[in-house]
Amino acid sequence: KNQVEQSPQSLIILEGKNCTLQCNYTVSPFSNLRWYKQDTGRGPVSLTIMTFSENTKSNGRYTATLDADTKQSSLHITASQLSDSASYICVVSAAAGNKLTFGGGTRVLVKP
Amino acid sequence: DAGVIQSPRHEVTEMGQEVTLRCKPISGHNSLFWYRQTMMRGLELLIYFNNNVPIDDSGMPEDRFSAKMPNASFSTLKIQPSEPRDSAVYFCASSLGNREDRLTYEQYFGPGTRLTVT
Repeated sequence: KNQVEQSPQSLIILEGKNCTLQCNYTVSPFSNLRWYKQDTGRGPVSLTIMTFSENTKSNGRYTATLDADTKQSSLHITASQLSDSASYICVVSAAAGNKLTFGGGTRVLVKP
Repeated sequence: DAGVIQSPRHEVTEMGQEVTLRCKPISGHNSLFWYRQTMMRGLELLIYFNNNVPIDDSGMPEDRFSAKMPNASFSTLKIQPSEPRDSAVYFCASSLGNREDRLTYEQYFGPGTRLTVT
């Protein structure tokens, strides 16, 4: 069964600090993995999308990594800002049947 | 660019009533997606269209749910009859993809419709 597990479920960090979110998946055959940021009361916004051959992709202070062998991805936030407070959702696409599997998300709260 | 437009933004209805949610995708996009988000189940893909044709509706929870895309600039998601467990935020997203693996392309989400069924 295709699954995407995210950890931690939530975390609190101080402004200016770094943090790393984890995403483990069992989706097969793998097509691509995306990270979304969702502010409260808004729709998700894509941060990165990575295919099998890519192992790092950055979008400003956000850096996503992908290890297709271990089926793990991480999202690193550098020098966090208050505006980084949001939920971060990992979504994996299976090549067969164009199926999407969603993680439960990690809720990040950045405190001043 | 106005982005994906959804209406209404909030809907409160009584159990048993028909509910229709509307979506206008980004002009020029050829794929449209309907999602549902709840605290318990997170984000779920309900159905997606490519070039106005439903490609995969396996996420539609039951026959009470139906979706249409009569043209490239409009889609509806209908629930009839509605039930309290349908309460959720419903998102519409659109993307532009010309290949078979249309889920590779970045999806742009609308602001969502918060549905409450009492």
